[in-house]
Amino acid sequence: DSGVTQTPKHLITATGQRVTLRCSPRSGDLSVYWYQQSLDQGLQFLIQYYNGEERAKGNILERFSAQQFPDLHSELNLSSLELGDSALYFCASSVALASGEQFFGPGTRLTVL
Amino acid sequence: AQRVTQPEKLLSVFKGAPVELKCNYSYSGSPELFWYVQYSRQRLQLLLRHISRESIKGFTADLNKGETSFHLKKPFAQEEDSAMYYCALKGGGYQKVTFGTGTKLQVIP
Repeated sequence: DSGVTQTPKHLITATGQRVTLRCSPRSGDLSVYWYQQSLDQGLQFLIQYYNGEERAKGNILERFSAQQFPDLHSELNLSSLELGDSALYFCASSVALASGEQFFGPGTRLTVL
Repeated sequence: AQRVTQPEKLLSVFKGAPVELKCNYSYSGSPELFWYVQYSRQRLQLLLRHISRESIKGFTADLNKGETSFHLKKPFAQEEDSAMYYCALKGGGYQKVTFGTGTKLQVIP
């Protein structure tokens, strides 16, 4: 699959725990974006990386962090999880540094119990 | 600051009826506007962008700078149009993309 891939598809964990979500961008895309989708808040931009460097930050909590590796895959780390962190987390990628045309992954559904 | 407002969380229309999904934005410069769609159990995908002035799956959207709007329209709704629709704005330069909260379109057979 040459599209954006995300693992795992589903994640169920307990409050206080830490999880890592993984994203592989489309072949050739240098930008990776992370979004959180919840029922009441829609799609919220969290953070963006371009070619390994953090380039933009949105409404990302201090308990959350991300990085992009030399092979361009990215990981989103969520720690000290709370019930309210339950959501769908999407990764998207684009060729350009800042593009409105983004290609989305299937998402990771995180459930915090 | 840039902001995108989609006033309707849910829009229900009958099959064959016209559809208009509203999107208003706030941005001081010249924005790029997009519509994304998310069908059930599928990933979010780009539907159309204002720069292209294209019609995709019968949908069109015109950027109205005076009213700061980018409404999505289709003359005759189809059942397969039922999905979640997000309006998105990108500011100039290296500005990030801001998404609206989305509108769920439900086409009633």
